[in-house]
Amino acid sequence: DTGVSQDPRHKITKRGQNVTFRCDPISEHNRLYWYRQTLGQGPEFLTYFQNEAQLEKSRLLSDRFSAERPKGSFSTLEIQRTEQGDSAMYLCASSPRQPNEQFFGPGTRLTVL
Amino acid sequence: GENVEQHPSTLSVQEGDSAVIKCTYSDSASNYFPWYKQELGKGPQLIIDIRSNVGEKKDQRIAVTLNKTAKHFSLHITETQPEDSAVYFCAAKRDNQGGKLIFGQGTELSVKP
Repeated sequence: DTGVSQDPRHKITKRGQNVTFRCDPISEHNRLYWYRQTLGQGPEFLTYFQNEAQLEKSRLLSDRFSAERPKGSFSTLEIQRTEQGDSAMYLCASSPRQPNEQFFGPGTRLTVL
Repeated sequence: GENVEQHPSTLSVQEGDSAVIKCTYSDSASNYFPWYKQELGKGPQLIIDIRSNVGEKKDQRIAVTLNKTAKHFSLHITETQPEDSAVYFCAAKRDNQGGKLIFGQGTELSVKP
């Protein structure tokens, strides 16, 4: 499968714990995006990388959230001191330089108890 | 701020009928408009997109129309089939060198056999 992959697919954690998600983009896609989707809503943009550079961050990305893409390939999204409000589907997408359609992975569903 | 409104929130049609979903956007600089289909437990799948230099685009049973003056665009699905049942999202963005998609709230389409 050459699509975007995300790991884990599901994560259940207790409030206050840290969690980390991984995204592997489509090979040779230099742009990588993170979105958050809550039940019944459209995805909301969190952050975006071009190669290893983080170019844009949403106000939704509080200081408890950090994302990295150290070698311009896979990316990680870490949430520290999780809160119940962090429960959501975390989606990753990637796009080539041109054209820049965004292709999404299956998502990581986070449940904070 | 940037906003995309999508209607209706739910749509039920008989197999073989047509379905139309409409979106309006607020950012006049938006020039790229993709549509995604999301099935339960999966990530959004890009089904068709349109750029602002064209008014209509077709791909088999799916078509998208764009009215830049009115800032609205629509998805048309003809000869609907039960496998078309899913949640559909419209989105908008400035098609420059990357950046965030602004999504609508989604339309849950149900095609009854």
